Amino acid sequence: GAVVSQHPSRVICKSGTSVKIECRSLDFQATTMFWYRQFPKQSLMLMATSNEGSKATYEQGVEKDKFLINHASLTLSTLTVTSAHPEDSSFYICSARVVEVLNTEAFFGQGTRLTVV
Amino acid sequence: AQTVTQSQPEMSVQEAETVTLSCTYDTSESDYYLFWYKQPPSRQMILVIRQEAYKQQNATENRFSVNFQKAAKSFSLKISDSQLGDAAMYFCAYRRAYSGTYKYIFGTGTRLKVLA
Repeated sequence: GAVVSQHPSRVICKSGTSVKIECRSLDFQATTMFWYRQFPKQSLMLMATSNEGSKATYEQGVEKDKFLINHASLTLSTLTVTSAHPEDSSFYICSARVVEVLNTEAFFGQGTRLTVV
Repeated sequence: AQTVTQSQPEMSVQEAETVTLSCTYDTSESDYYLFWYKQPPSRQMILVIRQEAYKQQNATENRFSVNFQKAAKSFSLKISDSQLGDAAMYFCAYRRAYSGTYKYIFGTGTRLKVLA
C-alpha cells in the first residue's frame, strides 16, 4: 500500500523556538495532504488541508501564523510550529490522498510527538 | 455539522471471543462514508474497514464486520476471534462523499484491551 512518512517521529524543543515537521508521500503523488493534532487520549482534530502550490486551508480556531504549512511539491508538506510553547506539545499526524486512484482513502503517517520544554 | 460519537472509552475482550464497538453519527448528508480506524501503540493509523452509505450490505474484512443502520445513524464494529494484536485504540470516522477535501471527522475513540 501507499506509504506516508513523517519526520521526525519525536522532537523536543525549547519554548520560543520553532520546529518543522515533514510529511512525505513515498510512492505516490499527493496533491492534498492533511495535518491533524491529537491530544493525549483524545481524537484526531483536523488542523489544516494542504494543497500543493497553494495556501493551506485552516480549520476554525487554528492559528495560521502559529502553524505554518507549506506544500511545495507533490510529495512533501511541512508543518512549522513557530514560537512553540508548552501548550503546543502534542502528537501531530499527517495524511495524504492518492489522487490518481479514484475512491481511495487517505493514508496516514506515523505521527510526530512534539514536546516543548 | 457532522459529529461522530463513541460512547465506550474502553472495552475488554477475552482472546478468541467477539467484541462489538459502538459508534453513532449525525449528518444531514445522504451520501457519505464511514470508517473504523485502528491506532496501535505505534500510533500509526490503520484503516480497518470502510462502509459506503449508499450500500445496504454491511462491509466485512476477514474477522472485522460492521452493523450499519443508516436510519438510526449507527455504525458498530464487530471483531470476531479477537487476537492479542487487536489491542489498540479504535476510532470511528466519517467523510462526506463527493468532497474534494477528504476531510475526516473522528470520534473520541475506544480503547480495546484483549485479555489472554
